[in-house]
Amino acid sequence: KAGVTQTPRYLIKTRGQQVTLSCSPISGHRSVSWYQQTPGQGLQFLFEYFSETQRNKGNFPGRFSGRQFSNSRSEMNVSTLELGDSALYLCASSLGGQGTYNEQFFGPGTRLTVL
Amino acid sequence: GENVEQHPSTLSVQEGDSAVIKCTYSDSASNYFPWYKQELGKRPQLIIDIRSNVGEKKDQRIAVTLNKTAKHFSLHITETQPEDSAVYFCAASKVKNQGGKLIFGQGTELSVKP
Repeated sequence: KAGVTQTPRYLIKTRGQQVTLSCSPISGHRSVSWYQQTPGQGLQFLFEYFSETQRNKGNFPGRFSGRQFSNSRSEMNVSTLELGDSALYLCASSLGGQGTYNEQFFGPGTRLTVL
Repeated sequence: GENVEQHPSTLSVQEGDSAVIKCTYSDSASNYFPWYKQELGKRPQLIIDIRSNVGEKKDQRIAVTLNKTAKHFSLHITETQPEDSAVYFCAASKVKNQGGKLIFGQGTELSVKP
């Protein structure tokens, strides 16, 4: 099976702009989780989508949002970009069944730089 | 709130030695504990995981132990090799309602010297 893919791999934006990142999960996986990775804060959970619904949410401001489509592909959007949003954004997919131990498999990430 | 503490932040060993990385979690409802290895410029890769109904799990040179009472779990790598050099992350989650939410430790940079 093909692994988790993310597009684009690199992005450079300026403060105040908005950005959309895309994640395609492993075939058959219905859950997509998003994480922000920075040297200072490590890996932090943003949100999880399952069957087109947000199932879990981390402690990020409302500028960070996401959605999931019927084919399980997911997008996340960051509006009004700030310098501190510069990070590697990782998505991970899993089977997602409720109450099961869902191994998460990560994509390669999108490196976002905000100038 | 939910928190995972990981120690040490850096670890340097000689090839062939063992390496141990320790994590402590705060939420007693956590019941799934994966470990990820991230090489420079690469994605995190799941190397081993343990569930709360198991005390120990081994996979070749890698083992993980879990102490639910102490809310503590550890990664053990034996016979380390240079290719084990990477950043290792522990994580915890609650399967029942939050299976897709992993809380990560801060990471351990392991360096294996030939």
